[in-house]
Amino acid sequence: AQSVAQPEDQVNVAEGNPLTVKCTYSVSGNPYLFWYVQYPNRGLQFLLKYITGDNLVKGSYGFEAEFNKSQTSFHLKKPSALVSDSALYFCAVRARFKAAGNKLTFGGGTRVLVKP
Amino acid sequence: NAGVTQTPKFQVLKTGQSMTLQCAQDMNHNSMYWYRQDPGMGLRLIYYSASEGTTDKGEVPNGYNVSRLNKREFSLRLESAAPSQTSVYFCASSDGGPLFPTDTQYFGPGTRLTVL
Repeated sequence: AQSVAQPEDQVNVAEGNPLTVKCTYSVSGNPYLFWYVQYPNRGLQFLLKYITGDNLVKGSYGFEAEFNKSQTSFHLKKPSALVSDSALYFCAVRARFKAAGNKLTFGGGTRVLVKP
Repeated sequence: NAGVTQTPKFQVLKTGQSMTLQCAQDMNHNSMYWYRQDPGMGLRLIYYSASEGTTDKGEVPNGYNVSRLNKREFSLRLESAAPSQTSVYFCASSDGGPLFPTDTQYFGPGTRLTVL
């Protein structure tokens, strides 16, 4: 079975400081990895995904994530956080083999609070 | 371009009542999904439809039924609502079916359901 862990329920950061949201995963074989963001009372919005190739993936709104196979991690980063980045962030994993279909498994979410 | 739409936005039911949540997408996507979101548990897959005319159970299907009415629409039905089904429900769609697990899923705005 595949699973995702987001060890921090909440991350607090000052505006302008670097932001990191942690994610580790467990899946059979190589993974496809995704980050989504959810603003209050809204659906999830896609940020970025890792499929193959370069371990550093760049996405929307200045976010990037680094795939680390040995540590089974896919941490989300932003060099300089904005107050508008305050939201709920979800990491998700999908196995590569065909039988897994399109089933995404989500982590529990990390709430990010960026203070002015 | 509306993307994924869901109705209603909010609903309050009494235990034992039934209701249907509606979802429609205008992106000509093949696959559609229903998730529920509960605090600290991320999103959990209820049912999905890899293509028109097919549906499959996800992680938490008990107490729900689905209908893929056509390529655009995918409804979720609660036959006899229970308090444990109080949650936020999200519909999503993606372009490919099981053979395209790299496809991004796009989410609707959600339906907040309370069962008393």
